[in-house]
Amino acid sequence: NAGVTQTPKFRVLKTGQSMTLLCAQDMNHEYMYWYRQDPGMGLRLIHYSVGEGTTAKGEVPDGYNVSRLKKQNFLLGLESAAPSQTSVYFCASSFPLAGGIDNEQFFGPGTRLTVL
Amino acid sequence: EDQVTQSPEALRLQEGESSSLNCSYTVSGLRGLFWYRQDPGKGPEFLFTLYSAGEEKEKERLKATLTKKESFLHITAPKPEDSATYLCAVQGGFKTIFGAGTRLFVKA
Repeated sequence: NAGVTQTPKFRVLKTGQSMTLLCAQDMNHEYMYWYRQDPGMGLRLIHYSVGEGTTAKGEVPDGYNVSRLKKQNFLLGLESAAPSQTSVYFCASSFPLAGGIDNEQFFGPGTRLTVL
Repeated sequence: EDQVTQSPEALRLQEGESSSLNCSYTVSGLRGLFWYRQDPGKGPEFLFTLYSAGEEKEKERLKATLTKKESFLHITAPKPEDSATYLCAVQGGFKTIFGAGTRLFVKA
């Protein structure tokens, strides 16, 4: 099992450029998440998905879009990158317990994005 | 508004010097509290889940406890390999909210 993988590992963009980050998991997890991590601020939820074909906004969704066309993949898009989006992006997945109670999340290795 | 605050921000210990990390939370209807470990340049790795006040869990030199307002991660006789950032997260409602973490440095 590869667990959760993220592509690419590093990326440098210029302001206004677009890109897509890919997350893939091979654990048949229902829930998938995108977080950003900035120094001193911990992990902040951008968007999440509770199943194939569904997405929802998290804490900091502005400037990002997501899609979950297949259960194992969760894509994060930046339509017009801004310097404020410089961060480390983590994808995670989980298989929740009954009643929607969260279970342990499995995280990918992260993507370090710099926007100049 | 749901909040998670971790203290201290950083903690420096000598090998064998036991201590505790704190996670204070405000959430409407706690559904679960989670502890993760994060090594530099890597994603967080799950340690524990606690669901109700009074619950305790242990793993090697780590012990997590939970009250109605806070959780503690106790580290007994730490070793240099315990050096990492420890993250606390709480689930109230559907979303899980993470604290900023405590960076632990253990010197040999």
